[in-house]
Amino acid sequence: QKEVEQNSGPLSVPEGAIASLNCTYSDRGSQSFFWYRQYSGKSPELIMFIYSNGDKEDGRFTAQLNKASQYVSLLIRDSQPSDSATYLCAVKSGGSYIPTFGRGTSLIVHP
Amino acid sequence: NAGVTQTPKFQVLKTGQSMTLQCAQDMNHNSMYWYRQDPGMGLRLIYYSASEGTTDKGEVPNGYNVSRLNKREFSLRLESAAPSQTSVYFCASTTGGDGETQYFGPGTRLLVL
Repeated sequence: QKEVEQNSGPLSVPEGAIASLNCTYSDRGSQSFFWYRQYSGKSPELIMFIYSNGDKEDGRFTAQLNKASQYVSLLIRDSQPSDSATYLCAVKSGGSYIPTFGRGTSLIVHP
Repeated sequence: NAGVTQTPKFQVLKTGQSMTLQCAQDMNHNSMYWYRQDPGMGLRLIYYSASEGTTDKGEVPNGYNVSRLNKREFSLRLESAAPSQTSVYFCASTTGGDGETQYFGPGTRLLVL
């Protein structure tokens, strides 16, 4: 049984701070890692994906992958109230059509 | 380019009624998926279609059937709706293969009384 674990939160951070969202996974064969953002009442949308160990930056977002420790994280710098949403981690094994989603972490950025 | 579209947006059914949720994508994607999302349960895969002409069960297929009508369209049918099927249903598509992003439709909110 492949599992992806996320703290459900809510994680509350002040505007301008760094928000750190974490995700652990059980399948050592996982090769693709995704972060989706889901606003209340809306569908998930991709923020970023990462395949290789290390950091990947895109604007205010940085994804960090550590395959040895089986975790992937998302850092949001200069957090804004508009970043308030649920963040879903998804993990996919090589050759699989099916990603495994975590249950999501609720982020609240307060002014 | 509309991406992934779903109809209807919202539906109320009585127990025992049937309905079909429609999904279409215009991105020439090979793989399509149906998920349900319930509070505290995350996204759970109902069925998927890796390519045109194939369908496979996901984590929670009981009470549902699917049809991959062509490369663009993937429908989900509830033959006899139950209150436990009250949920938000999302269709998604990808180009298939490793490391591909899923693109989600706007969702269908279903209430079964």
